Amino acid sequence: QQQVKQSPQSLIVQKGGISIINCAYENTAFDYFPWYQQFPGKGPALLIAIRPDVSEKKEGRFTISFNKSAKQFSLHIMDSQPGDSATYFCAASAYNNNDMRFGAGTRLTVKP
Amino acid sequence: GEEVAQTPKHLVRGEGQKAKLYCAPIKGHSYVFWYQQVLKNEFKFLISFQNENVFDETGMPKERFSAKCLPNSPCSLEIQATKLEDSAVYFCASSQYQNRSPIYFGEGSWLTVV
Repeated sequence: QQQVKQSPQSLIVQKGGISIINCAYENTAFDYFPWYQQFPGKGPALLIAIRPDVSEKKEGRFTISFNKSAKQFSLHIMDSQPGDSATYFCAASAYNNNDMRFGAGTRLTVKP
Repeated sequence: GEEVAQTPKHLVRGEGQKAKLYCAPIKGHSYVFWYQQVLKNEFKFLISFQNENVFDETGMPKERFSAKCLPNSPCSLEIQATKLEDSAVYFCASSQYQNRSPIYFGEGSWLTVV
């Protein structure tokens, strides 16, 4: 049973465009929502994370939008660059255990 | 250290052989996690530790998989009698706190069972 559903599976964006990746969850116990960036052959690197007490968090070109009532959150990458080409994973964890539940990943390609 | 260190980076085992992977968490981190990532990119949670104690092992195929985190030693994940479907990248991760806490991943150990 997939607890975190991520879409799209793959995404192609032109340089300078906005990349948007969406995730939805079902478990209302989840209260920490990170995004990870993974390059081929590397481990996932924490990009940005949000807690449900805020609706948006911005760090540089990366923004998480969070909709608690809809149980959805999304990653926006502004001014996308070819160096952003990677696989992005959303994740969620609950207060009473710390094992992350990951989405299936989105392979982002930013074309020059 | 300031990174999660995993060894070996690559491991090839014949079916039925044993495989053992090691992980040194970030210094000061009390929680260690093992994940399995298969070719479709999906992460499967295996087990987590709080210091040397098993915290959550709901993802572990207990028949052949075992894991330990002993004091003053790297954590380990061992697979007895490997099968072809065990071929995957095994990631170790660590975090400082139990909840609402960033989890930092190592580079992974790529296991190929032939």
